[in-house]
Amino acid sequence: EPEVTQTPSHQVTQMGQEVILRCVPISNHLYFYWYRQILGQKVEFLVSFYNNEISEKSEIFDDQFSVERPDGSNFTLKIRSTKLEDSAMYFCASTTGGVLAFFGQGTRLTVV
Amino acid sequence: GESVGLHLPTLSVQEGDNSIINCAYSNSASDYFIWYKQESGKGPQFIIDIRSNMDKRQGQRVTVLLNKTVKHLSLQIAATQPGDSAVYFCAESGQNFVFGPGTRLSVLP
Repeated sequence: EPEVTQTPSHQVTQMGQEVILRCVPISNHLYFYWYRQILGQKVEFLVSFYNNEISEKSEIFDDQFSVERPDGSNFTLKIRSTKLEDSAMYFCASTTGGVLAFFGQGTRLTVV
Repeated sequence: GESVGLHLPTLSVQEGDNSIINCAYSNSASDYFIWYKQESGKGPQFIIDIRSNMDKRQGQRVTVLLNKTVKHLSLQIAATQPGDSAVYFCAESGQNFVFGPGTRLSVLP
C-alpha cells in the first residue's frame, strides 16, 4: 500500500536553530500539505502546496516557515529559527486532489 | 469564523458495544467531511468520508451520519473492538482541511 514517509521520526533542536523536516509524498500525488499537532491538541493546518507553489497557508505559517519540493520527490518544511512553541508533531500529507487520505507518521519536533 | 468541534472529549465503551462519536461544525458551506482515527504516536488515518449531498454513508463496521440542519456529524462504530481505541477527529474540507479537537475512545474489556 502506498504511504507517505517522513524523516526523522524525532528531532531535538535548540531554540533559535534551523530545522528541516522531510517528507516523501506518494509518487503520483499532486497536492502536498503540512499540518502540526501540539501535544494533546487538534491537528492544525499549516500549508498546502501544488504545482511548485504554496496554494494556501495558515496564520501559523509565518516568515519563519518555508516549504520546498527540491527534487520532485521530497517535500520539506523548514523552520528558520525555532521557538519553544514550535515543539509539536508535524505531519505531511498528500493527495491526488481529492480525499485527504494519506498522512505520514509524523516528525516529533522538540525545541529545547 | 468557521470551526469544527466535538461534543465529548472522551468516550469509554464496553468491547462489543456500539460507539457513537459526535462532531459539530459551524461552516454551513462545507460540502465534504472526513473522519480520521489517530493511534498513539501515529498520523491521522482516514476512516470514512461523506459529501454534503448525503445523509449517511456506511463502511466496514463504521457509519457516518450528517445532519446539515443542525450542522452535526457523527461516527458510529459497530461492535467496538480493542483495536478501535484511539482519538477520532472529524475534519471539514474547504480550501484545506479543518480538524476538530478530537475524542478519545477507550474500549473496556
